[in-house]
This record gives sequence, structure tokens and C-alpha cells, in this order.
Amino acid sequence: KAGVTQTPRYLIKTRGQQVTLSCSPISGHRSVSWYQQTPGQGLQFLFEYFSETQRNKGNFPGRFSGRQFSNSRSEMNVSTLELGDSALYLCASSSRTSGGNQETQYFGPGTRLLVL
Amino acid sequence: DQQVKQNSPSLSVQEGRISILNCDYTNSMFDYFLWYKKYPAEGPTFLISISSIKDKNEDGRFTVFLNKSAKHLSLHIVPSQPGDSAVYFCAASAPSNTGKLIFGQGTTLQVKP
Repeated sequence: KAGVTQTPRYLIKTRGQQVTLSCSPISGHRSVSWYQQTPGQGLQFLFEYFSETQRNKGNFPGRFSGRQFSNSRSEMNVSTLELGDSALYLCASSSRTSGGNQETQYFGPGTRLLVL
Repeated sequence: DQQVKQNSPSLSVQEGRISILNCDYTNSMFDYFLWYKKYPAEGPTFLISISSIKDKNEDGRFTVFLNKSAKHLSLHIVPSQPGDSAVYFCAASAPSNTGKLIFGQGTTLQVKP
């Protein structure tokens, strides 16, 4: 079974621009979570989507948004980029159904975003 | 508020010996715990997990122990191999917080040949 894939792997943007990152979950997985990793803050939860609905959201400003499509693929968007948005953005998928939270999340390779 | 803490930033062990990585948590609502291994600029790779109804789970060279009363878990790697050198993260989830893992800050393990 193919793992979680993320595109693009690397991205360079300038302040004020916007960016869209894509994630394809493991086949059959309907839950997709997004995380931001920075040296100072570690791995921080952004949001989770299940069946095209955002089910949970972390403490990030509204500039960070996402969506999920009917095939479970997900995108996240960051508008009005700031220097501090430079990070590794990771998505993870799980086979979690609508209830409970004891499902393992499997991560993609990440998208490295550099904001200049 | 750091709900999951890995107090040792780094650990160095000799090849063939045991590696013990530790993790403490504060939220008693956590009921599922995971360990991930990560290389720079790559995504975390799942290693092993444990539910709060158990106190031990084993998978090959990896064993995770959970002490709920102490809010402490540990990952044992026996025997350690040079390929185990990486950053190890523990993570926890609560039933009320769907899809959200809370991660520790990571411990860098170096296994010397």
C-alpha cells in the first residue's frame, strides 16, 4: 500500500504571498491531520479533516486554512505569508472512523516551506 | 503549557546495548500514546503505540512501557543498532480531541558502533 504523499516537497515564497500544499492519504484512510514543525515550537497540530469536514483545529491564525475532497485528498492554504511561517508542514492520515481517537497516524514526507 | 515532555534532548549508547527513551505527560485524559522516529527533513515514522488500558507493548526490538500513576512512558530499544540513530518523539492523544496528536520535543539518539 502506498504511503502518504505530499506535494510539493520544497517551496520558496516571499512575504505576503499565499501557498497551497497538497496531501494524498493512504488508500482507505479518511482522516487527514496537518502539523507544522519548527525548531522553536516543535510539532504543532494545525487541523484535522474527516469526510470533507474540519473536525478539529489547533491554535493557528485564520491565515491557515484547509479542505478535504471526496477522495480524502486534502489541501492546506496559508495566505499572506510571514517569515515565521517557514517550517516543515506535515500531513498524516489514519483509518480513524467517526468515533474515538485511538488510531495511528501515518505521516508523509512533508513540504519544506521557506518564506523570504 | 507542555503537556508532553521529553526531558532528555539527547542520548548516546553503544551498539548492542539498550536504549531507553523517556516521556512524561500531564493530561490524565490521554489514552493513547505513540512513538515516532524522525530523520531531518523527513516525516515521522511510526514505531509503536500503547493504549492506556495496557502497561506494556512489544514489537521486535521495541518495547513501550506505560506507568499511568506516574504519567510516564518509556521506549526500550534492544539491541540498539547504528541505524536507530535519529530523533525520537513521543506523542499522545485524548478521545475528546479528534485527530490531534500532542508531541514531546524529541530526544536525539546516537548509537555508536
